Amino acid sequence: QQQVKQSPQSLIVQKGGISIINCAYENTAFDYFPWYQQFPGKGPALLIAIRPDVSEKKEGRFTISFNKSAKQFSLHIMDSQPGDSATYFCAASIGNAGNMLTFGGGTRLMVKP
Amino acid sequence: DAGITQSPRHKVTETGTPVTLRCHQTENHRYMYWYRQDPGHGLRLIHYSYGVKDTDKGEVSDGYSVSRSKTEDFLLTLESATSSQTSVYFCAISETPTWLPEQFFGPGTRLTVL
Repeated sequence: QQQVKQSPQSLIVQKGGISIINCAYENTAFDYFPWYQQFPGKGPALLIAIRPDVSEKKEGRFTISFNKSAKQFSLHIMDSQPGDSATYFCAASIGNAGNMLTFGGGTRLMVKP
Repeated sequence: DAGITQSPRHKVTETGTPVTLRCHQTENHRYMYWYRQDPGHGLRLIHYSYGVKDTDKGEVSDGYSVSRSKTEDFLLTLESATSSQTSVYFCAISETPTWLPEQFFGPGTRLTVL
C-alpha cells in the first residue's frame, strides 16, 4: 500500500514556466515532508522540506504548499530552467520513528529551452 | 555525496548467489539506511540502523539482511539473489533527529540478477 501518492509521473514545461508536482498522503502521523531532487546517475538530494505547522515554505524559486486538512502537499518551481530537469520525489516521515522516509513514486521533469 | 561511498557501484550476478553491498560513511552519523529504487515505486526502505549492532526492518525487507559492526559501515546482504532484486540500491545517512532531519544519499549501486 503506497502511503504517499505522487502525480504526475512525468511533466514537460517550457523554460520560464511553472512546474507543479502534487503529493497526497494517508498517514496523519507524518510530520515531516521533504522533496528530493535526483539527476541521472546520482543519489537523491534534499531540495526543500516543511513541517505541518506552516502552510507554505519558499526557498528561491522552489515553494512547498501544504494542506493539512486535505493531506496534500505540492512543489512549485517558478521560472523553470533546463537545469531543473531531473526526477523529483516527495516523501514523508514520522519524526520520532528513526527518520524513516516513505517516498512517492517520482516525477520526471523536463524543462524545454 | 556527503562523505558516503558505496561499493561496488555496479554488479551483475546470477540467481541463487549471495551478494553483499557495502556503504561507508565518514560523517559519523548515527542513522544509516538502505533503499531500493525501482521505476514507479520511488525509493523503498529495506532496512535501517540506529546505531552499532542496532538495526530494524523497513517496508521491503524480505530476502535482505543487514549488519553494522562499526559506525561507518553498513552492509546489505542478499542471501540468495533473485531476479526481482534487480534494482538500484542507495545507502543514506542521517544525524540524530532534528527539527528538519535531512538524509544524505550515496551514489547508488546498480545490481543486475540474471
